[in-house]
Amino acid sequence: DVKVTQSSRYLVKRTGEKVFLECVQDMDHENMFWYRQDPGLGLRLIYFSYDVKMKEKGDIPEGYSVSREKKERFSLILESASTNQTSMYLCASSLWRLAGGHEQYFGPGTRLTVT
Amino acid sequence: AQTVTQSQPEMSVQEAETVTLSCTYDTSESDYYLFWYKQPPSRQMILVIRQEAYKQQNATENRFSVNFQKAAKSFSLKISDSQLGDAAMYFCAYRSPYGGNTPLVFGKGTRLSVIA
Repeated sequence: DVKVTQSSRYLVKRTGEKVFLECVQDMDHENMFWYRQDPGLGLRLIYFSYDVKMKEKGDIPEGYSVSREKKERFSLILESASTNQTSMYLCASSLWRLAGGHEQYFGPGTRLTVT
Repeated sequence: AQTVTQSQPEMSVQEAETVTLSCTYDTSESDYYLFWYKQPPSRQMILVIRQEAYKQQNATENRFSVNFQKAAKSFSLKISDSQLGDAAMYFCAYRSPYGGNTPLVFGKGTRLSVIA
């Protein structure tokens, strides 16, 4: 079974702190994604990566950065956390295929609260 | 850009009954992929069912089936014989066929409650 794990289920940080959210997948997937999930807004893509050291901005990249130094690990970084970044963060991974609707596999999510 | 619309923020169904969740999408592409994902309370999001646009036959997975109407750009999910474990958020998602790293585009979700 594909396994996507996230470093924390719940996280509480203070405004202005630097926050790292870690995601690891064990299926040698090329693609990895970070989403933010808020009630009534669904899932919004923050960043994604299709290879080591490669990254692409999603729909809402402002206030976030990412790092992918190893294929299995994709980190989301909040340089200076703000209260409007309080949310559920979901990581996902998928295979890279030129054709084919390959599904994304999701981690359990990290519920981040910024106070 | 593609968009996905789920017009029902909340739905409820009696146990053992059938419920249909709606999803419409907007695209200019002729080939694409559509998905329904399920997110149970406090649990991981999982794939329920997948449809390839070039296939006319509607996908089915046990009690889950879709009604794919390509001309109407509609992709509804039917859950038959609803069970308590079906209670979850359901997300409809679209994927372009081009490029191996194309992200999914999600709708805002429908929260399904199952009444015993």
